[in-house]
Amino acid sequence: GEDVEQSLFLSVREGDSSVINCTYTDSSSTYLYWYKQEPGAGLQLLTYIFSNMDMKQDQRLTVLLNKKDKHLSLRIADTQTGDSAIYFCAEKTGGTSYGKLTFGQGTILTVHP
Amino acid sequence: DAGVIQSPRHEVTEMGQEVTLRCKPISGHDYLFWYRQTMMRGLELLIYFNNNVPIDDSGMPEDRFSAKMPNASFSTLKIQPSEPRDSAVYFCASSYVRGLYTGELFFGEGSRLTVL
Repeated sequence: GEDVEQSLFLSVREGDSSVINCTYTDSSSTYLYWYKQEPGAGLQLLTYIFSNMDMKQDQRLTVLLNKKDKHLSLRIADTQTGDSAIYFCAEKTGGTSYGKLTFGQGTILTVHP
Repeated sequence: DAGVIQSPRHEVTEMGQEVTLRCKPISGHDYLFWYRQTMMRGLELLIYFNNNVPIDDSGMPEDRFSAKMPNASFSTLKIQPSEPRDSAVYFCASSYVRGLYTGELFFGEGSRLTVL
């Protein structure tokens, strides 16, 4: 089955790095995603990684994928107060259910000045 | 493009009343999704459509919930009768099967429903 788990809270100081972790259960996942939700808004795609990749870097964001352990992480370098939001990990599995993403519970990131 | 448009943004109603939430997907998108977000259960997929046809409605909680997509530019999610436990933020999202085929979802801003 499909299940995605994340820790619920993370608090960091401005300028530090943030690392948000996620585990998933479906080994047939084709894509894994990180979405960001700011207060009062919908989810917005931050970045994604294809399952045959180990790492992807995009400016301040680094995604690491460990397929053996089914572990995904998002590192935000030089975290700013504007990065305070809820971050969702999601997986898309293959097969006939195209487009069906399974989301984690979300990690609330709080950045202190 | 204006993005995914949802209405109303906020709805407060009394138990037993009918609630209709509306969504206009991004033009040209083939897929439309309805999600529900609560503190207790996180983000749950209720139903999704492909080319206006419902593909998977296994997440619809009860018969009180129904969704329609009469054309490519409009969808509704209806709750009748509503109950306090239906209070949540309901998100509509759309996507497309072209290009890089990543399955990225584009979310609306959500409809916050409060049932008293």
